[in-house]
Amino acid sequence: DAKTTQPNSMESNEEEPVHLPCNHSTISGTDYIHWYRQLPSQGPEYVIHGLTSNVNNRMASLAIAEDRKSSTLILHRATLRDAAVYYCILRDYVDSSYKLIFGSGTRLLVRP
Amino acid sequence: KAGVTQTPRYLIKTRGQQVTLSCSPISGHRSVSWYQQTPGQGLQFLFEYFSETQRNKGNFPGRFSGRQFSNSRSEMNVSTLELGDSALYLCASSLESAVTGTDTQYFGPGTRLTVL
Repeated sequence: DAKTTQPNSMESNEEEPVHLPCNHSTISGTDYIHWYRQLPSQGPEYVIHGLTSNVNNRMASLAIAEDRKSSTLILHRATLRDAAVYYCILRDYVDSSYKLIFGSGTRLLVRP
Repeated sequence: KAGVTQTPRYLIKTRGQQVTLSCSPISGHRSVSWYQQTPGQGLQFLFEYFSETQRNKGNFPGRFSGRQFSNSRSEMNVSTLELGDSALYLCASSLESAVTGTDTQYFGPGTRLTVL
């Protein structure tokens, strides 16, 4: 099974960078790594995704290990609005079907 | 562009009843996925519909079913409700098949189902 492992929670100070780790040791060669976040009382929202190379967008950066068994989501300057649960997601091929597997996520607390 | 909409937002049912939830994807999106979110199990994939066909299915009993219409709108049905079905049901849409591709999924706000 393609599973992800994330810390249950992390804390950060406002305006400081945050590094959210994710382990995915059983990832297959064609699986993209997706990150979503879920703000309180909302559905998840897309943050970023990548395959092998590091990726940047206006929200965050994604650093992928060379062996692809882990990745790190980087928020360059955390704001109070970034307080959310962050999910690292892979797809899994089980019983002749693809599924998207959400882990338990990391709850990010941002201190003012 | 309007986002993903789900109706109703809140629902209260009793055990044994059935319920139908509705999801309207972003215009132009052909894939609709459904998820169940509970405090104990987190976000779990239910199924995905793409161009009116169920393409992928999660590990849920047959009481959970869905369908997609030609305009890509989707409905999810749960029959013979159990207390454990109380959850937030989330719908997500994407341009292509979200599970086999790399496409971004856009989630709706969810329907909060409470089973008494």
